[in-house]
Amino acid sequence: ETGVTQTPRHLVMGMTNKKSLKCEQHLGHNAMYWYKQSAKKPLELMFVYNFKEQTENNSVPSRFSPECPNSSHLFLHLHTLQPEDSALYLCASSLSSGGSYEQYFGPGTRLTVT
Amino acid sequence: TQLLEQSPQFLSIQEGENLTVYCNSSSVFSSLQWYRQEPGEGPVLLVTVVTGGEVKKLKRLTFQFGDARKDSSLHITAAQPGDTGLYLCAGVGSWGKLQFGAGTQVVVTP
Repeated sequence: ETGVTQTPRHLVMGMTNKKSLKCEQHLGHNAMYWYKQSAKKPLELMFVYNFKEQTENNSVPSRFSPECPNSSHLFLHLHTLQPEDSALYLCASSLSSGGSYEQYFGPGTRLTVT
Repeated sequence: TQLLEQSPQFLSIQEGENLTVYCNSSSVFSSLQWYRQEPGEGPVLLVTVVTGGEVKKLKRLTFQFGDARKDSSLHITAAQPGDTGLYLCAGVGSWGKLQFGAGTQVVVTP
């Protein structure tokens, strides 16, 4: 695998379910990001990790819980979501969050909350 | 919050026509990036412009950064169906944080 991969690509979950999104980057980057993309809205930055440490939480509700066990893997744990959380969740990586700012995105997970 | 506005929101043209999309802000950015996103995929970086007034060309795509580093434009010459996609601009602010616009959906029909 090359680049940034995300699994699953599609996810349908009920409001009481617990699920996790996975992101893996094969680029040797040290910074990883979660974004939410809703129709006709700008990408919303959710979390930033730099060298496995969380450096930004953009006032994201606690029903979204990120985890970064190493610089290559990033998870987003989901529980008790709301229908308005339905969106495309994108993972991205870059060399660092303070150096080169060119971010490489995965294909996203299309999440539907019923 | 540094708001980036993109216009138009949607653009449909015939193959061979030219088009321009705009990205405007009231804030100054250290640099600005353009991405293209195709259905079912994540955004892919096309170019980064850094210097005020800078013009970069990528085949039939021409990118310009405003002199004051607050705005940018993307011009496509002789558009092709493969140019179809969502074009996103992103301003690079403090600590490398990207501020995205909502995008311009471009559809090029044969």
